[in-house]
Order: sequence, then C-alpha cells, then structure tokens
Amino acid sequence: DQQVKQNSPSLSVQEGRISILNCDYTNSMFDYFLWYKKYPAEGPTFLISISSIKDKNEDGRFTVFLNKSAKHLSLHIVPSQPGDSAVYFCAASAGYGGSQGNLIFGKGTKLSVKP
Amino acid sequence: DGGITQSPKYLFRKEGQNVTLSCEQNLNHDAMYWYRQDPGQGLRLIYYSQIVNDFQKGDIAEGYSVSREKKESFPLTVTSAQKNPTAFYLCASSIGVWGSRADTQYFGPGTRLTVL
Repeated sequence: DQQVKQNSPSLSVQEGRISILNCDYTNSMFDYFLWYKKYPAEGPTFLISISSIKDKNEDGRFTVFLNKSAKHLSLHIVPSQPGDSAVYFCAASAGYGGSQGNLIFGKGTKLSVKP
Repeated sequence: DGGITQSPKYLFRKEGQNVTLSCEQNLNHDAMYWYRQDPGQGLRLIYYSQIVNDFQKGDIAEGYSVSREKKESFPLTVTSAQKNPTAFYLCASSIGVWGSRADTQYFGPGTRLTVL
C-alpha cells in the first residue's frame, strides 16, 4: 500500500513555462515533506522541504505548496529550464525518532523541459 | 570537502557470490541509510542506522546485511540469499539526533550492481 503517491510518471513542459509536480499521501501522521531531484545514475539531490505547520515554502525558482486537508503537495518550478529535466521524488516522514523518522518515497515523476 | 562517497560506481558479480558495497560519510552525521532503486520504482529502504553499533531493518532487508562499527562507515553486504540483487543502490545520511524530528537525508552517488 503506497503511502506516498506520484500519479504522473512523466511530465513535459516548454522552457520558460511553469512545471507543476504533484504528490498525494495517505498517512495523516506525516508532518514533514521533501522534494528530491535525481539525474540518471546519480544519487538524489535535496531540493526543498516543508513542515506541516506551513502551507508554502519558496527557494528561488522552486516553491512547494502543502494542502493538509487534501493530503496533497505540489512542487512548482518557475521558469522551467532544460537543466531541470530529471526525475523528481516526493518524500514524507512522520517526524520524530526511531522508524517514524524514516522517509517514505513516491515512485517519482520524470520531468522533461523542452527548449 | 564534505560528502558521502560510495564505491565502486559499477559492480559486477556472479550469481551466488556475496558482495559488499561501501558507503563513507564525513558529514559527522549520526544516521545512515541504504536504499535500493529499481526501474520505475521509488527508493525502498533496506537498512538504517541511527547510531554506531546499532541498525534496524527497513522494508526490504531480506538477503542483505549491514554493520556500523564506525560513525563514518555503513557497508552493505548483498548476500546470495537476495533473489533479485541487480539494482541501483543508494546510501544516505542525516544529522539524525535520536528523538528529534526527521531531517533531510543527503545521498551518495550510488552503486550499480549487476549480478550475472
């Protein structure tokens, strides 16, 4: 049973436009969410995170929105650049020590930004 | 120059042989993790360790073993009991203070293991 779902395996966007990557979760205990970017044959790179006490967090071109009532978060990339082409993973955690601190990952969305 | 290193980048082994994947970090992180990634799949947790000399099974620990004798090192052994060992293996670490909230995990470059 997937606790973190990224329902779109792929997304194609024109350079300069907005990319919106979506993530849904089922565990209401999750209170910390992260986005990672991954190129082929490399380790994931941390992009941005958000705690459940917030509904928005921005870092440059990247903004994460959290809708707790809908158990949904999204990553917005504006403007999209060809170098953003990668697989994006959403991850969530129930927060505090022990196994609850472990991250649960979605299956990823492959973003292609076309020049 | 802090970071997480995994070696080798590519590893080939014959079926039935045990193989050990290396993971070293100089970030002074307490917690370390091993994940496996298969095509079209997310990252699945194999083992994790939140402190030296202690480690716990993740979701798919069968056929794997680990040790954590030093804070900097968390080697993973893929044993012959692992039925589908060919995969991309990722090591990660986090500050990981016990009892604190979860924090960001930072990943190594990965090792691609192919069992022939």
